[in-house]
Amino acid sequence: NAGVMQNPRHLVRRRGQEARLRCSPMKGHSHVYWYRQLPEEGLKFMVYLQKENIIDESGMPKERFSAEFPKEGPSILRIQQVVRGDSAAYFCASSPSGGALETQYFGPGTRLLVL
Amino acid sequence: GENVEQHPSTLSVQEGDSAVIKCTYSDSASNYFPWYKQELGKRPQLIIDIRSNVGEKKDQRIAVTLNKTAKHFSLHITETQPEDSAVYFCAGRSFQKLVFGTGTRLLVSP
Repeated sequence: NAGVMQNPRHLVRRRGQEARLRCSPMKGHSHVYWYRQLPEEGLKFMVYLQKENIIDESGMPKERFSAEFPKEGPSILRIQQVVRGDSAAYFCASSPSGGALETQYFGPGTRLLVL
Repeated sequence: GENVEQHPSTLSVQEGDSAVIKCTYSDSASNYFPWYKQELGKRPQLIIDIRSNVGEKKDQRIAVTLNKTAKHFSLHITETQPEDSAVYFCAGRSFQKLVFGTGTRLLVSP
């Protein structure tokens, strides 16, 4: 049973470019969460999605960031016009049905470096 | 919303000693508390979790205790080994999202 998959694992962008991060949840999981980890810091929640729905985006910056989880295909976190402060590790996690007591399983992360 | 505080930020122990990491949370409605281990450059991996209907849970050398009245929970690692060296994060649950502590860097010296 494949775990949570993320790609790319490393992404280098210049300031002003766009970054697209992809996440495929574990088989049988329909709930995806995105977290950001700045260097030497903890993980901060960004957004929670179900298929075709954004449930909670309270942790996502209002500008330049967007997320989707289409009916088919992976969840995508999109960062437009990247700035140096966007450099971080972006992790997604998945759970089967979003229950309050469910474990969230993390993917390997995408490490974004903005030059 | 939930707020989770974790301490210490760093912990150095000798191999074979015990290590204890403590977290406090603010939301009395929280009922799920996982602990994750993160090695350098790797993903956070769940090592143990506890739900609010129990006060303690143990898995081999790892145990977690929960005090709902005081709103704190702790991770206990016994007989530490060098491979236990990593950053450990506690978390609480706020609606569907995990709220993480700031992490404890554990160093186990041979």
